[in-house]
Amino acid sequence: AQSVTQLGSHVSVSEGALVLLRCNYSSSVPPYLFWYVQYPNQGLQLLLKYTTGATLVKGINGFEAEFKKSETSFHLTKPSAHMSDAAEYFCAVSEGFNKFYFGSGTKLNVKP
Amino acid sequence: DAGVIQSPRHEVTEMGQEVTLRCKPISGHDYLFWYRQTMMRGLELLIYFNNNVPIDDSGMPEDRFSAKMPNASFSTLKIQPSEPRDSAVYFCAVSAESMSRANVLTFGAGSRLTVL
Repeated sequence: AQSVTQLGSHVSVSEGALVLLRCNYSSSVPPYLFWYVQYPNQGLQLLLKYTTGATLVKGINGFEAEFKKSETSFHLTKPSAHMSDAAEYFCAVSEGFNKFYFGSGTKLNVKP
Repeated sequence: DAGVIQSPRHEVTEMGQEVTLRCKPISGHDYLFWYRQTMMRGLELLIYFNNNVPIDDSGMPEDRFSAKMPNASFSTLKIQPSEPRDSAVYFCAVSAESMSRANVLTFGAGSRLTVL
C-alpha cells in the first residue's frame, strides 16, 4: 500500500525566508505526486503535480517541488515566503486510477 | 464553471438526528469522491463513484453512513443516526478521466458538521 509522510506538522518561517516542506512517499510503481494547499474554511486546491518528465515542477504562487526517485521524496519549496502563504499543505501520491493517498498535512505559519 | 458546490457549509445537529450533505459536481467529471477531515485522522476517503456507480465504499465507517449518486449532477452523504464522533469537515471532490492517468482532484469548500 502507498503511504505519504510529511515531516513536521507545523513549520514557522519569517516573511521573505525560504519555505521548505518535506514529503516522502512509498510506492511500488512510479507514482504521480501532488501538493495541495488548504486555506482556512476552504477546500484543498492543487498547487502542483508531477506526472512524468522533468523532475522539477513549478506550481502556482511561486512554489516548486522536485521529484527525487532515489530519495522517494517530493519536497515543496518557495524562495521567499509571503504572509499570504500561511495555510496547510498536503502532499499526495497516486498510482493512477483515482486512488489518492494524502499525508497528514503541514501547517505553515509566516511571521512578519 | 462554479466548481464543486457543497451544502450546507455548516451544520449543527443533535446526536441521533439524520444529517444529509449534498454535492453538485463539475459537469463532465465522471469521478466523485467523499472525504472526511478531522484533526485526529486527517483526510480519509469514505467512498467514490464512477459514472454514478459506487466503486469503493471501504472507507465508510459503519452502516450509519450511506452515499448515493442518483445522477451525474448530484450526490448525497447521509448519516443516520448521527453521533458526536461524526463531527468533522466533509469534502466532496471530483476528477475526470485523462489519458495520462494522472487525474487531479478538485475539491468543494466542504461541509462542517458538528454533532452535539
